[in-house]
Amino acid sequence: EAAVTQSPRNKVTVTGGNVTLSCRQTNSHNYMYWYRQDTGHGLRLIHYSYGAGNLQIGDVPDGYKATRTTQEDFFLLLELASPSQTSLYFCASSDALWGGYEQYFGPGTRLTVL
Amino acid sequence: QQKVQQSPESLTVSEGAMASLNCTFSDGTSNNFRWYRQHSAKGLEVLVSIFSDGEKEEGRFTAHLNRANLHVSLHIREPQPSDSAVYLCAVLNTGYQNFYFGKGTSLTVIP
Repeated sequence: EAAVTQSPRNKVTVTGGNVTLSCRQTNSHNYMYWYRQDTGHGLRLIHYSYGAGNLQIGDVPDGYKATRTTQEDFFLLLELASPSQTSLYFCASSDALWGGYEQYFGPGTRLTVL
Repeated sequence: QQKVQQSPESLTVSEGAMASLNCTFSDGTSNNFRWYRQHSAKGLEVLVSIFSDGEKEEGRFTAHLNRANLHVSLHIREPQPSDSAVYLCAVLNTGYQNFYFGKGTSLTVIP
């Protein structure tokens, strides 16, 4: 089964702080995703990538940057964190979803911005 | 943008009774639907994937898809207390490499 790991699992920062969330997948999937999950909104896509060096904007990208450094590693950057970015963040990976491949999720990172 | 709505928001059933969850979507051209389970804000576990109208069974979990009615459902046979979780419906956005998720149904199974 595909393995997706995230670090840290929990993070507390202050308003204006600089935060980097890390994600690694070990199955050579082409696609990687960052989602946030908030009560009343479900999961919403922030950014995704279909390979090293590629970045695609999702539905809620404001305030977030992302970088795919390798096939395995995808990072989410919050350069000036705000309380509205307090959320549960999930990373996921997959091959082509339209081909019926599964999307595998990491365990999540809970971020609190004070 | 695909709109995905789930109902009910919460559901309580007795152990052994059938649990039925509903999901409606706005774009009937999608052909890729998933049901996920999430325990206590943890990671998502895929339960059933369905790609064409009709029924797809995976163990105790059965999905029914009717694209003409913009509806996909999940039925859980003989639910157990360990099935208590949030269930998420996901619909692939046609033309994009992305799923849209509903807000979830919180299921509680009482012994």
